[in-house]
Amino acid sequence: DGGITQSPKYLFRKEGQNVTLSCEQNLNHDAMYWYRQDPGQGLRLIYYSQIVNDFQKGDIAEGYSVSREKKESFPLTVTSAQKNPTAFYLCASSTGGIGQFFGPGTRLTVL
Amino acid sequence: KQEVTQIPAALSVPEGENLVLNCSFTDSAIYNLQWFRQDPGKGLTSLLLIQSSQREQTSGRLNASLDKSSGRSTLYIAASQPGDSATYLCAVKGRSQGNLIFGKGTKLSVKP
Repeated sequence: DGGITQSPKYLFRKEGQNVTLSCEQNLNHDAMYWYRQDPGQGLRLIYYSQIVNDFQKGDIAEGYSVSREKKESFPLTVTSAQKNPTAFYLCASSTGGIGQFFGPGTRLTVL
Repeated sequence: KQEVTQIPAALSVPEGENLVLNCSFTDSAIYNLQWFRQDPGKGLTSLLLIQSSQREQTSGRLNASLDKSSGRSTLYIAASQPGDSATYLCAVKGRSQGNLIFGKGTKLSVKP
């Protein structure tokens, strides 16, 4: 089955702690994206990567970091510098002009 | 800066009714437009993708149209069913960027 997987489904973070969200795709897509979804605000872009070992900041990159060492993996780290990280995080991938495909999401809650 | 607006924010209809969801965008220089469905607590499911050169796309009971000159797209749902209840999101991809710009969505409720 081809698709995008995200783990964990639920994640809890204590104050001052860094946490990493996993995103893996077996669609052989070149580009991968991380979005944040808050109630009433829609999806906002955090980071994206068009090719391996390259990535660009999106609209709300502060307090987040990413890596793209492999084509199929694009992990997102939420650092302690992100003051309001409680949200639903969605990973997506795409290639060419076929549109974006999304994973099931990770819900992060700060304790 | 591209902005995407979806009206209405919420819509409740009786089962069997045909309905239209609206999406507008401020910059007509788009590469494509994509309609998604999102169920509560879930990821996004792609419904239809319209390339900038196309006027409409159809899939089953769904039909999406695109009018770039006026900056508008509509999603038409025929013979609505309770299983269509979800939030519907519209997103555009600009010609010079890879990411999507999303509207805030229309929450649809279809009553039996």
